[in-house]
Amino acid sequence: EVQLVQSGAEVKKPGESLRISCKGSGYSFTSYWISWVRQMPGKGLEWMGRIDPSDSYTNYSPSFQGHVTISADKSISTAYLQWSSLKASDTAMYYCARQDAGDDAFDIWGQGTMVTVSS
Amino acid sequence: SYELTQPPSVSVSPGQTARITCSGDALPKQYAYWYQQKPGQAPVLVIYKDSERPSGIPERFSGSSSGTTVTLTISGVQAEDEADYYCQSADSSGTTFGGGTKLTVL
Repeated sequence: EVQLVQSGAEVKKPGESLRISCKGSGYSFTSYWISWVRQMPGKGLEWMGRIDPSDSYTNYSPSFQGHVTISADKSISTAYLQWSSLKASDTAMYYCARQDAGDDAFDIWGQGTMVTVSS
Repeated sequence: SYELTQPPSVSVSPGQTARITCSGDALPKQYAYWYQQKPGQAPVLVIYKDSERPSGIPERFSGSSSGTTVTLTISGVQAEDEADYYCQSADSSGTTFGGGTKLTVL
């Protein structure tokens, strides 16, 4: 079965760092991009950026460039989303999603990771 | 930044046809994609490349494109179709989602 499995919910304080993960299985991990999508409470979907796991090439939405880092370890079929200093406004559900390099469709989604940032 | 515009809400009675629109300047040149998201769940792809339906998606879901507007049509709406629907399309920096439309089945 093709799936993306994300790491569990996190509760952090402002200023702390965090890395969440997304592990792919059931397919060739390096044949598809992985994107990260934010959904703030009660709000819509926002594309943050993506990575090509085959060579770790990334591109980011201008809205998120410089605020997060996307990386991947193809040896363990895992992509990551990382913050160096969290803010309360980072509180959201974060989804990873698989994207064919030749097509913009997000055909497989992870179950989501809820990140709560509160003092 | 590029924007895709959707109506915030659409309401329809069971068995009727629901149409959800998505407008954007680049849509004549870029494919559109549609996702269904039910409360507490991850989004699910229901239409790709304007009008193609992934395997496992019911035939009552269809998509069309005309100029700067794409439309998701749900024929014979069922109670289980009540959800948020998002369009998505490529832009110069990657991709963009519309603001989402809440479909209410009366």
